[in-house]
Amino acid sequence: GENVEQHPSTLSVQEGDSAVIKCTYSDSASNYFPWYKQELGKRPQLIIDIRSNVGEKKDQRIAVTLNKTAKHFSLHITETQPEDSAVYFCAAIGGNMLTFGGGTRLMVKP
Amino acid sequence: KAGVTQTPRYLIKTRGQQVTLSCSPISGHRSVSWYQQTPGQGLQFLFEYFSETQRNKGNFPGRFSGRQFSNSRSEMNVSTLELGDSALYLCASSLMTSGGREETQYFGPGTRLLVL
Repeated sequence: GENVEQHPSTLSVQEGDSAVIKCTYSDSASNYFPWYKQELGKRPQLIIDIRSNVGEKKDQRIAVTLNKTAKHFSLHITETQPEDSAVYFCAAIGGNMLTFGGGTRLMVKP
Repeated sequence: KAGVTQTPRYLIKTRGQQVTLSCSPISGHRSVSWYQQTPGQGLQFLFEYFSETQRNKGNFPGRFSGRQFSNSRSEMNVSTLELGDSALYLCASSLMTSGGREETQYFGPGTRLLVL
């Protein structure tokens, strides 16, 4: 089955800096890669996603890149703000089975 | 549209008991997936239902089971509860069609289960 690895597990940045979270996946059949943000005590919320026929997607301060050959994808957050502090999960979907990475706890220091 | 809802939100059970959790998907969504979230194991896939049929199953023992009704609402059941079953159980719904591409999954608020 699919295996998704996510790094780093924790990330601390100063407000205004950029944050990058990286994920690798194992199943070349996976073709949809969502990213979720989970604040403490709340449900995971989709923040951005990318399909396998696209190399990059951007939405305001958030961007995701995908390298299908290398089987890795990354989340980039620019101009971080304290409200970006949360746990971020990458995921890979194949056959409607969503496999999550282990999560990254992002802390943005004011 | 109303989001995904789950009931109950909190539950306390003792070892050996069984529990049933309920999930109502977003209107029009036909696929419902269940996940277990624990601090140690992260988010793990339990199973996915589409049109009342289980299409995918994760690596969990047979004590974990589920079903889906004709209105797409889904239940999951855990029998003979163990201490390690304490977790946040999340369901997610998507617009997935029978032969279509993968669609975004939207999560409910979860049911927090504590087994004593």
